[in-house]
Amino acid sequence: ELKVEQNPLFLSMQEGKNYTIYCNYSTTSDRLYWYRQDPGKSLESLFVLLSNGAVKQEGRLMASLDTKARLSTLHITAAVHDLSATYFCAVETSGSRLTFGEGTQLTVNP
Amino acid sequence: SAVISQKPSRDICQRGTSLTIQCQVDSQVTMMFWYRQQPGQSLTLIATANQGSEATYESGFVIDKFPISRPNLTFSTLTVSNMSPEDSSIYLCSVEASLGGSRYEQYFGPGTRLTVT
Repeated sequence: ELKVEQNPLFLSMQEGKNYTIYCNYSTTSDRLYWYRQDPGKSLESLFVLLSNGAVKQEGRLMASLDTKARLSTLHITAAVHDLSATYFCAVETSGSRLTFGEGTQLTVNP
Repeated sequence: SAVISQKPSRDICQRGTSLTIQCQVDSQVTMMFWYRQQPGQSLTLIATANQGSEATYESGFVIDKFPISRPNLTFSTLTVSNMSPEDSSIYLCSVEASLGGSRYEQYFGPGTRLTVT
């Protein structure tokens, strides 16, 4: 059974600081997603990582994938309040099925 | 990308009743999925909605409880049957949409927030 573990589960950080969210998974996969969810809202796709060594950046967020280590990271640079949300990683397996991590609830304080 | 709508957006239902949730996509897609997000939790895949055949259910989910229809390539329904308070969740439809060539991505609908009393 595929397990996807995120850490930390809760993250409170100050504006302007940097931090990394980690996503470990237990089986082979070549496709990993990062999603953002605001309270009471659906999921917004942030990144799709397709291969080993993939790195994608959008604004203050950068995601990377190491398929050999079965690890993805979401790095936040110079956090701002608008980044406060819950972030999920999701690993795709056969049949395009997604297994989600537990989510990281990020709060950015002024 | 794909634009996905769900109906209803929310509902409050009595235990023992059933609710059918609709998912409509603005383009034809092969793969459609139904997920559940229990309060404060992550998302769990219920089933893959296959066009022209029965849905494929994940472990812990059964057709009698969550019957699914997929009459065409743009539409699917999920019914939550004989509801109990434990079924209170957000139910989300997702699709795999082509981005051209061999590229594709998965998108989620806005969700249906179900409360069972």
